[in-house]
Amino acid sequence: GEDVEQSLFLSVREGDSSVINCTYTDSSSTYLYWYKQEPGAGLQLLTYIFSNMDMKQDQRLTVLLNKKDKHLSLRIADTQTGDSAIYFCAESQRGSARQLTFGSGTQLTVLP
Amino acid sequence: DTAVSQTPKYLVTQMGNDKSIKCEQNLGHDTMYWYKQDSKKFLKIMFSYNNKELIINETVPNRFSPKSPDKAHLNLHINSLELGDSAVYFCASSQGARVNTEAFFGQGTRLTVV
Repeated sequence: GEDVEQSLFLSVREGDSSVINCTYTDSSSTYLYWYKQEPGAGLQLLTYIFSNMDMKQDQRLTVLLNKKDKHLSLRIADTQTGDSAIYFCAESQRGSARQLTFGSGTQLTVLP
Repeated sequence: DTAVSQTPKYLVTQMGNDKSIKCEQNLGHDTMYWYKQDSKKFLKIMFSYNNKELIINETVPNRFSPKSPDKAHLNLHINSLELGDSAVYFCASSQGARVNTEAFFGQGTRLTVV
């Protein structure tokens, strides 16, 4: 079955860049996503990338996709304390929320 | 004017009880979902539902049942609660099931079974 893996924790200093990594096993994944979960809040879709792309940039966020290695990363430039949250990688075979498979989430802590 | 709201936010109950979690969305979406987030933070889909089709994840015990009184609501009923049901349950909605349209999530309901 599908599997999505992430490291559990990441700490960075305010102002530095954060890079959160994710690997997935399903080569038929068509969409890959990054969600953010702040304490006590639901998941917020940050960005997604279609599998025929290798990079997507949106303001401070850069998503890199290495389809050959099945590796996805999220880079947050100039990380702020408000970026502290859990970041979930997710994949979907057919671009359907019915088939979203999430990773375990990476807890990002931004230190002053 | 929260987009997807769940109640209650916290629920503590004893083993064997029957409980419900409510979910409402005011986005006019036609598809709603329930996800379970376990202690290791993995999120797994339990159900997806629109007015035509209920899709059930085969791993979900039949003690769990979704009930949709109307398009804006998808409630989760759980019978004979077990300790292993303790988790955070997230409701979500989207327009259609394609998820390059955004799925909006509620804030979650933390269920603790004692």
